[in-house]
Amino acid sequence: DGGITQSPKYLFRKEGQNVTLSCEQNLNHDAMYWYRQDPGQGLRLIYYSQIVNDFQKGDIAEGYSVSREKKESFPLTVTSAQKNPTAFYLCASTFLREVGRTGELFFGEGSRLTVL
Amino acid sequence: QKEVEQDPGPLSVPEGAIVSLNCTYSNSAFQYFMWYRQYSRKGPELLMYTYSSGNKEDGRFTAQVDKSSKYISLFIRDSQPSDSATYLCAAQGGSEKLVFGKGTKLTVNP
Repeated sequence: DGGITQSPKYLFRKEGQNVTLSCEQNLNHDAMYWYRQDPGQGLRLIYYSQIVNDFQKGDIAEGYSVSREKKESFPLTVTSAQKNPTAFYLCASTFLREVGRTGELFFGEGSRLTVL
Repeated sequence: QKEVEQDPGPLSVPEGAIVSLNCTYSNSAFQYFMWYRQYSRKGPELLMYTYSSGNKEDGRFTAQVDKSSKYISLFIRDSQPSDSATYLCAAQGGSEKLVFGKGTKLTVNP
């Protein structure tokens, strides 16, 4: 089945540790996104990539890093520099259409990160 | 002012009720409008997608956009317990990135 796979579903981290969240899609989508969701805050964009080997910062990129070495994969690393990393992380992808129309996002099931 | 405003609720209705979910937006460049549904501990899924002003109907769901008042609505007819979820509105246009509202949590009681 086509879709977006995020792993792990749940992750616990000690303070000071980097962790990497995986996101893989087999929809042949061009663009991939990482969002963070906190209670009462909605979805906030961390990073996005529209083409392999290129990515742009979103609204809350500090303390995060990404790579896009393959079209299908867009892993997110939460570094120790992220001061409040406990959150629900969502990966999404879509086809690129005309400028300003990329809203038909397909989301993964999410990864819940808890810092102990 | 946040670009897309959405009342977070929570909203609780009896089964069979008509539900009205609403958002307002401030950016006149927005021309694509979406509603996503998110069940607890799951990723959002696209429910409705509309372009510019007007109505779009899909089964029990109707999305309505009024660009003159910058108002986005989602109506759910004959609501079911399975409709219990958080509903997120979103808007986009021009070279702007997609902007989400904060979501409204809906509970439909049997």
